Amino acid sequence: AQSVTQPDIHITVSEGASLELRCNYSYGATPYLFWYVQSPGQGLQLLLKYFSGDTLVQGIKGFEAEFKRSQSSFNLRKPSVHWSDAAEYFCAVGHTGTASKLTFGTGTRLQVTL
Amino acid sequence: DAGITQSPRHKVTETGTPVTLRCHQTENHRYMYWYRQDPGHGLRLIHYSYGVKDTDKGEVSDGYSVSRSKTEDFLLTLESATSSQTSVYFCAISETENSPLHFGNGTRLTVT
Repeated sequence: AQSVTQPDIHITVSEGASLELRCNYSYGATPYLFWYVQSPGQGLQLLLKYFSGDTLVQGIKGFEAEFKRSQSSFNLRKPSVHWSDAAEYFCAVGHTGTASKLTFGTGTRLQVTL
Repeated sequence: DAGITQSPRHKVTETGTPVTLRCHQTENHRYMYWYRQDPGHGLRLIHYSYGVKDTDKGEVSDGYSVSRSKTEDFLLTLESATSSQTSVYFCAISETENSPLHFGNGTRLTVT
C-alpha cells in the first residue's frame, strides 16, 4: 500500500524568505502526486499535481514541486513566501486508475513571521 | 470553489445516537468521497462512490455507512456514534477517477 511522509510537522519562515516543504512517498509504480493547502476552517485546495512528464511542476500561488523518483520525493517550493501563505500543507499520493483515492501525509503547518 | 455544500457545518451529538452528514454537489461529477481529518493522521478515506448506488469502502470504513440515491447527494451515516468518531469530515468530488479532488468546507462532529 502507498504511504506518504511529511517529516516536518511545523515550519516557521520569515516573509520574503524561500520555502521548501518535504514529502516522501512509498509506492511501487509511477505515482500520481499532489499538494493541497488548507486554511483554518476551510477545505483543502489543490496547489499542483504530478501525473507524468516534466518532473518540475508549476502550481497556483507561485508554488512549484519537483518529482524525484530516485529519492521518492515530491518537495514543494516557493522562492518568496507571503504572509498569506500561512496554512497547513498536505502531500498526497494516488495511483493509476484510482488517482482520486488518495493517501495523505500528516501535514506541515507553515507559520510566516513578518 | 467547486459547488460542494456540506451540512451541517457543526454538530454535537451523544454517544450511541445516529448521525447523518450530507454532501451536495452542483458539478454533476460522478465520483464522491468522504474523508475524516484527525490530528497526526492527515485525511483518511472512509467511503467513496463511483456512481448512483455504487459505493465502496475506504481505509477507515468501520462504523460508517453511505448512500447515494442521486448524483448530487452523498450521505454519510454513523449508525451509533462513538467518541472515536469525533472528527472533521470532508466531502470531496472528482469528475473522473483520474481527476484531482475538490473538497467541501467540512463538518465538525463532536460525540460526547
